[in-house]
Amino acid sequence: EAGVAQSPRYKIIEKRQSVAFWCNPISGHATLYWYQQILGQGPKLLIQFQNNGVVDDSQLPKDRFSAERLKGVDSTLKIQPAKLEDSAVYLCASSLVTSGRAYEQYFGPGTRLTVT
Amino acid sequence: RKEVEQDPGPFNVPEGATVAFNCTYSNSASQSFFWYRQDCRKEPKLLMSVYSSGNEDGRFTAQLNRASQYISLLIRDSKLSDSATYLCVVSTFFTTSGTYKYIFGTGTRLKVLA
Repeated sequence: EAGVAQSPRYKIIEKRQSVAFWCNPISGHATLYWYQQILGQGPKLLIQFQNNGVVDDSQLPKDRFSAERLKGVDSTLKIQPAKLEDSAVYLCASSLVTSGRAYEQYFGPGTRLTVT
Repeated sequence: RKEVEQDPGPFNVPEGATVAFNCTYSNSASQSFFWYRQDCRKEPKLLMSVYSSGNEDGRFTAQLNRASQYISLLIRDSKLSDSATYLCVVSTFFTTSGTYKYIFGTGTRLKVLA
């Protein structure tokens, strides 16, 4: 079974530029998560989708970050404009639908973003 | 107080040793718990779920103590390949969204020495 796919794997941009990350979850996983992981810290949830609806975006800096999952499958996370403190690894994860129980999450390889 | 707390380590142990990590959580309504392993510059990978009765998978044993609000991970007969960061994950159901929210700890670094 194919895992969670993410692209690109690495991205270097200058501050104030924009960047977009793509994620394709495991087939059949209705819930998709975007996390930000800064070196030395655990992943921090940015946004959680169930199918194509947002269920939690309380920690998403909405002035510069946006995300969509239009058809309930793959998703895009965008940063515009980027700041130096956005340098981190952006992880996408997916799981089976979580309304009944807390299922295990499966992570993609991540996108390592460096903002200079 | 952080929602999920772990000792960042590093825990340096010799091969063959037994090592244990704890993870405390603040929300008594939390219902599901997991341990993930993360290698350097890699994504987190599920190590094991933690069940109320405790569970074992080979050299790894996970325990849940609801009264004291912590989970533990015990690794017996440590191998060099066990060197990694171990992330604790606590999940809580939110009635407002009708879904579970997952909170990660900062992770505990383990170094197994030859």
